Amino acid sequence: GAGVSQSPRYKVAKRGQDVALRCDPISGHVSLFWYQQALGQGPEFLTYFQNEAQLDKSGLPSDRFFAERPEGSVSTLKIQRTQQEDSAVYLCASSLTAASYNEQFFGPGTRLTVL
Amino acid sequence: QQQVKQSPQSLIVQKGGISIINCAYENTAFDYFPWYQQFPGKGPALLIAIRPDVSEKKEGRFTISFNKSAKQFSLHIMDSQPGDSATYFCAARSDYKLSFGAGTTVTVRA
Repeated sequence: GAGVSQSPRYKVAKRGQDVALRCDPISGHVSLFWYQQALGQGPEFLTYFQNEAQLDKSGLPSDRFFAERPEGSVSTLKIQRTQQEDSAVYLCASSLTAASYNEQFFGPGTRLTVL
Repeated sequence: QQQVKQSPQSLIVQKGGISIINCAYENTAFDYFPWYQQFPGKGPALLIAIRPDVSEKKEGRFTISFNKSAKQFSLHIMDSQPGDSATYFCAARSDYKLSFGAGTTVTVRA
């Protein structure tokens, strides 16, 4: 797989359930980003990892959102006690190094629907 | 608060025509301005990008025009093709963080 992969591609949750979304970045990419894309809107930054370190989590909407990247590769975005307003596409992106000029490559996203 | 304002929300163009999408920003810390193309069910893919020390960049049928003093930039799609039908997002970056516009859905009629 040459690109960023995400799983599951679709997730339906009942309000109050916990969900976990997975991102497999491009092999060797140091930087990893999570974005939230509401219907009809552009992606909004959630959080940024450099290797295993979470350097910026300023975009996480609430303390129900938690992200980790324990070995500096795969990342998981966890949402606890999901609410209807959490319904969105969650995009993961990776880039080769931490240098700001490096292109971010996006995965296909996970579409989360909270009923 | 949206840091990058994008217009129009949607546009329809005939095959062979020109599509123009406009964006404006306020934050002078932005130092890189990419455009992304997104097809349904896919993630955004980088189309073309420009730095603020350049006023225009052309790659094939796609051109970015950049006006630093007005804090505006635009994407021109020349000779539009049905395969160009997609949603286009402008973005602006400060350090590693990308701020996106709301998107423009372009429909090219054959």
